[in-house]
Amino acid sequence: SQQGEEDPQALSIQEGENATMNCSYKTSINNLQWYRQNSGRGLVHLILIRSNEREKHSGRLRVTLDTSKKSSSLLITASRAADTASYFCATDALTSGSRLTFGEGTQLTVNP
Amino acid sequence: SQTIHQWPATLVQPVGSPLSLECTVEGTSNPNLYWYRQAAGRGLQLLFYSVGIGQISSEVPQNLSASRPQDRQFILSSKKLLLSDSGFYLCAWSTLSGVNYEQYFGPGTRLTVT
Repeated sequence: SQQGEEDPQALSIQEGENATMNCSYKTSINNLQWYRQNSGRGLVHLILIRSNEREKHSGRLRVTLDTSKKSSSLLITASRAADTASYFCATDALTSGSRLTFGEGTQLTVNP
Repeated sequence: SQTIHQWPATLVQPVGSPLSLECTVEGTSNPNLYWYRQAAGRGLQLLFYSVGIGQISSEVPQNLSASRPQDRQFILSSKKLLLSDSGFYLCAWSTLSGVNYEQYFGPGTRLTVT
């Protein structure tokens, strides 16, 4: 079964606005990762947040992690048309070894 | 720098035909290797992963198989394709040591079984 579930499934915003995507998971984790996928392409790693971290930044990306609620959010600030893509969270569960479990993804569309 | 290759990029095969997809990694040694399948508009389903030559773990029972004949080569195969095997197949690698297991993906192969 899928560990991570993203919300919303699809998000459409205007350029310059902020985009927030959420991820919920079920079991205890070592870390949670966010990936981006352009249509028809492979996934690209964006950011990793460890279970003992609460917030992390990378450029226009901000990720939060709440292990008590088993949830994470990805915020993209000042969005651009080039940010249009699908975004996936992936969890590295404590018992999973080297495997990641991916959610179903959020399709983000940024309109120019 | 590390590079991951997958081929072919697209493939159209009839039902019942065999399949062989190849993935190779450059610039790293002893990687973990993974095969995923992605249905249209969905997330990734882990099919197989390998922590070393000849070591294959299967996540989902199906008519696919995987092999790792060399350290940086991972092959996905089928003897007889089914319609349900259609999808986007992604290969990925990660470092064997450490705990973060960030994964690096290839460009993918889009398989259509007709």
